[in-house]
Amino acid sequence: DTEVTQTPKHLVMGMTNKKSLKCEQHMGHRAMYWYKQKAKKPPELMFVYSYEKLSINESVPSRFSPECPNSSLLNLHLHALQPEDSALYLCASSQTLASYEQYFGPGTRLTVT
Amino acid sequence: GQQVMQIPQYQHVQEGEDFTTYCNSSTTLSNIQWYKQRPGGHPVFLIQLVKSGEVKKQKRLTFQFGEAKKNSSLHITATQTTDVGTYFCAGLNNAGNMLTFGGGTRLMVKP
Repeated sequence: DTEVTQTPKHLVMGMTNKKSLKCEQHMGHRAMYWYKQKAKKPPELMFVYSYEKLSINESVPSRFSPECPNSSLLNLHLHALQPEDSALYLCASSQTLASYEQYFGPGTRLTVT
Repeated sequence: GQQVMQIPQYQHVQEGEDFTTYCNSSTTLSNIQWYKQRPGGHPVFLIQLVKSGEVKKQKRLTFQFGEAKKNSSLHITATQTTDVGTYFCAGLNNAGNMLTFGGGTRLMVKP
C-alpha cells in the first residue's frame, strides 16, 4: 500500500468556523508533512513531523494547528481562517525526514468564505 | 533561506519535440528530487539524484545533477501528450530536513 489518503476532498468554511483536515498513511513512514499549494504555484511547506514530534514549523499562523496522534495519522486543525487561506492542502509522508521520496495525498481543496 | 529557481515557467511543444527544464539553487544541495503534477492532481515522485554529476534515465526522461550540486535539469525526448503537467524540482538542504520546491515548469503538448 503506497497510498496517502486525505479527507475531506473539498471543504468550504466560513471565517468563524472550526474544521479539521485528516491525513492517513499505512506505509510505516515516520515523517509526515503539510503543504499549502495555491493555483499555479509550487507546494509550500507548512509543518514537518518526525517520529510524531513537530520538527519544523515554517512560521505558519496560529490559526493552523497541526496534530500527529500516532505514526499513521496527521491532522490540521483550522480556526478563524481568512479568504487568502483558500488553497489546496497537501499531506505527504516519507520513510524518514526528507532524504527519501515523498508520497503525496490527493489534497483537500479548501475555500474560505 | 534556500531558494530554488526553475525555468522556463511554461513551455508549449509540438508532440514529438524535445523539452528541457532547468533548476538552480542558491545553496549547495544534499540531493535533488523531481516531481510531476498532472492538472488537477498531486505531485508524484519521479526520481532522486544524490551524487555530483549524476545522470539518470527513465525511458524518454533524462535527469542530471550538476557538478557543484547546485543545479539540475530534466530532459524529455520526443514528448507525448501524456507528458503534460507541471514538473517540479525540489532541493533537499544539507541538514536533510527540508525540501524546497522550485516554481515548476508547466509543459503543454500539442498533438
